[in-house]
Amino acid sequence: DVKVTQSSRYLVKRTGEKVFLECVQDMDHENMFWYRQDPGLGLRLIYFSYDVKMKEKGDIPEGYSVSREKKERFSLILESASTNQTSMYLCASRTTGTGLQPQHFGDGTRLSIL
Amino acid sequence: SQKIEQNSEALNIQEGKTATLTCNYTNYSPAYLQWYRQDPGRGPVFLLLIRENEKEKRKERLKVTFDTTLKQSLFHITASQPADSATYLCARGNQGGKLIFGQGTELSVKP
Repeated sequence: DVKVTQSSRYLVKRTGEKVFLECVQDMDHENMFWYRQDPGLGLRLIYFSYDVKMKEKGDIPEGYSVSREKKERFSLILESASTNQTSMYLCASRTTGTGLQPQHFGDGTRLSIL
Repeated sequence: SQKIEQNSEALNIQEGKTATLTCNYTNYSPAYLQWYRQDPGRGPVFLLLIRENEKEKRKERLKVTFDTTLKQSLFHITASQPADSATYLCARGNQGGKLIFGQGTELSVKP
């Protein structure tokens, strides 16, 4: 079974801090994704990566950056955290090819910015 | 823009009945739709994929339909059980293999 592990289940940070969310997958998947999930808005794509050192902006990239130095690890960075970035963050991975392949999700990091 | 809309109201049904969840999309038909299940505090889990040229897909007690005329997909759970209680997400395929998710519909199956 594919396992996607997010480093923290709950995180509390202060405004202005630089925040790192880590995600690791164990199935040698090429594609990795970062979403945020808010009530009534569903999952929204922040960034995705097709392969190592490759990244593309999703629908809501403002205030975020990402890093993918190794195939199994995809990091989401909040450059200067703000209260409107309080949310559930979900990481996913998928094997390459068409979008027909399912995405495999971690259990999320619930981030609170105070 | 392409959108996916699911009924935001929770669906409450009695155990043993069939649950039917609706997913509507805008603009052109996506090449495929995916359905996921999400339990509280957990990430979504993939359930089924249906292609545009497939009218219906089944997996055990699950059935998904794809109606390009109505721009709609229906997700059915037959003989529902309390363990089926969860939020169900519909997602359409987008350019480059990205997914656009609906906001999800919460299903509650009462014993």
